[in-house]
Amino acid sequence: NAGVTQTPKFQVLKTGQSMTLQCAQDMNHEYMSWYRQDPGMGLRLIHYSVGAGITDQGEVPNGYNVSRSTTEDFPLRLLSAAPSQTSVYFCASSIQWGVGLFFGEGSRLTVL
Amino acid sequence: GQQVMQIPQYQHVQEGEDFTTYCNSSTTLSNIQWYKQRPGGHPVFLIQLVKSGEVKKQKRLTFQFGEAKKNSSLHITATQTTDVGTYFCAAGANSKLTFGKGITLSVRP
Repeated sequence: NAGVTQTPKFQVLKTGQSMTLQCAQDMNHEYMSWYRQDPGMGLRLIHYSVGAGITDQGEVPNGYNVSRSTTEDFPLRLLSAAPSQTSVYFCASSIQWGVGLFFGEGSRLTVL
Repeated sequence: GQQVMQIPQYQHVQEGEDFTTYCNSSTTLSNIQWYKQRPGGHPVFLIQLVKSGEVKKQKRLTFQFGEAKKNSSLHITATQTTDVGTYFCAAGANSKLTFGKGITLSVRP
């Protein structure tokens, strides 16, 4: 099993550009989530999904969209990048809600 | 989501010393999870506590859930340089897992 795979690992964007961070897991996990990590702020939940076809907002959803058309994939879309979205993004999954999360290796995004 | 607090954010210890950190909430938690993130790495799940007063051990790490389920502690016996990293607690409700800001542990050899 590859676990949770995030691509790209690094990305630089200009303000106003759009992009998609990819997340895929091969563990047949129902629950998937996206977090952003900023210095001194810990991990903040952006969006989450309890199963294919179901998504919901977390703590900091503005400026981000998600979809969950399959169990395996949970892409995060930045619609119009802003410097405030410069961060490290982590995708995480678990077999179901309420058990420990498996994290991907992270995607470092810089918005100029 | 449920709020959890971890204070302080940084702690420095001498190798061989014991280390204890706490995670506090103003509300009763259904469960608490602990994660470790090495410098430059991703968070790794360590343990989940569910029952009031529960104690779990992983080698030199001891995790405890408070009797009132409003706090939790992580104790490391005889710290080693391999223990460096940031330790997060996290609490969940309504399908959302909320993380504390973490405590970054450094160990002087």
